[in-house]
Amino acid sequence: ETGVTQTPRHLVMGMTNKKSLKCEQHLGHNAMYWYKQSAKKPLELMFVYNFKEQTENNSVPSRFSPECPNSSHLFLHLHTLQPEDSALYLCASSQQRATGELFFGEGSRLTVL
Amino acid sequence: QKEVEQNSGPLSVPEGAIASLNCTYSDRVSQSFFWYRQYSGKSPELIMSIYSNGDKEDGRFTAQLNKASQYVSLLIRDSQPSDSATYLCAFNFGNEKLTFGTGTRLTIIP
Repeated sequence: ETGVTQTPRHLVMGMTNKKSLKCEQHLGHNAMYWYKQSAKKPLELMFVYNFKEQTENNSVPSRFSPECPNSSHLFLHLHTLQPEDSALYLCASSQQRATGELFFGEGSRLTVL
Repeated sequence: QKEVEQNSGPLSVPEGAIASLNCTYSDRVSQSFFWYRQYSGKSPELIMSIYSNGDKEDGRFTAQLNKASQYVSLLIRDSQPSDSATYLCAFNFGNEKLTFGTGTRLTIIP
């Protein structure tokens, strides 16, 4: 596989469920990101990891918990979400931190009931 | 004041014409500027980056940066139906946060 892959592509969960989103990049990049995309809103940066260390938490509620076991894998653990958390969650990677040249995965469309 | 202002459109342009997309940004030290294209149901894809004042051309695409006036533009020459997408401008203000605009939806009319 090449590029940035995300699973699952679609997820429906109740507010009491626990689920995880997975991202894997095959580009040899050092930085990985989670973004949230909601309708009519700009892309919102959630978390940044550089060499598997978290370097940015953009005031994200604790019901979102990231995990980065290595530079190629990134997870977003979800628990007790709210309906307003329904959105497209995009994973991205870049060669270095703080560059604007991002490579995005296809996203995970999350619906919270 | 919003950090990034981008007309959400929709912008309709006849096939073969020039499509012009614009973004303005707030008064901060901006270092890097990017244009991403997002097809419906797909993820954003980087199409242009520009780091200094002036024009940068890549095929049918030209990015224009004017730091004094705080705007960046994307021109698409000889527009094709395949150019129909949402175009996102993004700025790197020197920190780790790449700040995105809301996007301009462009439709090329055959």
